[in-house]
Amino acid sequence: QSALAQPRSVSGSPGQSVTISCTATSSDFGVYNYVSWYQQHPGKAPKLMIYDVNERPSGVPDRFSGSTSGNTASLTISGLQAEDEGDYYCCSFADYIWLFGGGTKVTVL
Amino acid sequence: VQLMQSGAELKKPGASVRLSCEGSGYTFNFYAIHWVRQAPGQSLEWMGWINPDNGDTKHSRTFQGRVTMTRDTSANRVYLELSGLTSEDTAVYYCARRDKSKLGYGYDVWGQGTTVTVSS
Repeated sequence: QSALAQPRSVSGSPGQSVTISCTATSSDFGVYNYVSWYQQHPGKAPKLMIYDVNERPSGVPDRFSGSTSGNTASLTISGLQAEDEGDYYCCSFADYIWLFGGGTKVTVL
Repeated sequence: VQLMQSGAELKKPGASVRLSCEGSGYTFNFYAIHWVRQAPGQSLEWMGWINPDNGDTKHSRTFQGRVTMTRDTSANRVYLELSGLTSEDTAVYYCARRDKSKLGYGYDVWGQGTTVTVSS
């Protein structure tokens, strides 16, 4: 079980919004920092979508946004589009190591 | 800017594998290179990182005693060696760069991945 818990799947219709949570589950770790989010399509390398909790790299559409609250980070996709379908992973830094969440499959209905 | 990884590997249980990752289009020593693997149908798993500038490394306790990361700065290349392979090491192995001084910047460039298959 990952120290960063994500829902296994979320879905939405085109134009809707979906939110993926990433919750720190282990009390063995200290503060979770430097949250980033990655999109992965089948057979492809992950792609950076959000860094430093809520910053977007150049070229990432502004319908992608990030936030945190307590021990949970979230990725929101507003105005869902067909090309947003894929797997999404959160990543954080704790106790000098990097952790990935278990991944969430986003399905566009 | 890209990271180019070596080709697919087929290894027997108990063997070792050495993967390479070559950076181009940027100042290689300015970024740490991290290794991340993904078993079939599974999530991403962080393995460790190397600072190409001075060779410092840090790896996950999961791979204690089995992983070695090295670099060849003249070739803008880093290497990952994993020993004592078992079927559970069958995965796609990615290298990815990360700003050494701005940890929040994320993995902004990834290699294409190297498939390692461990089978007798």
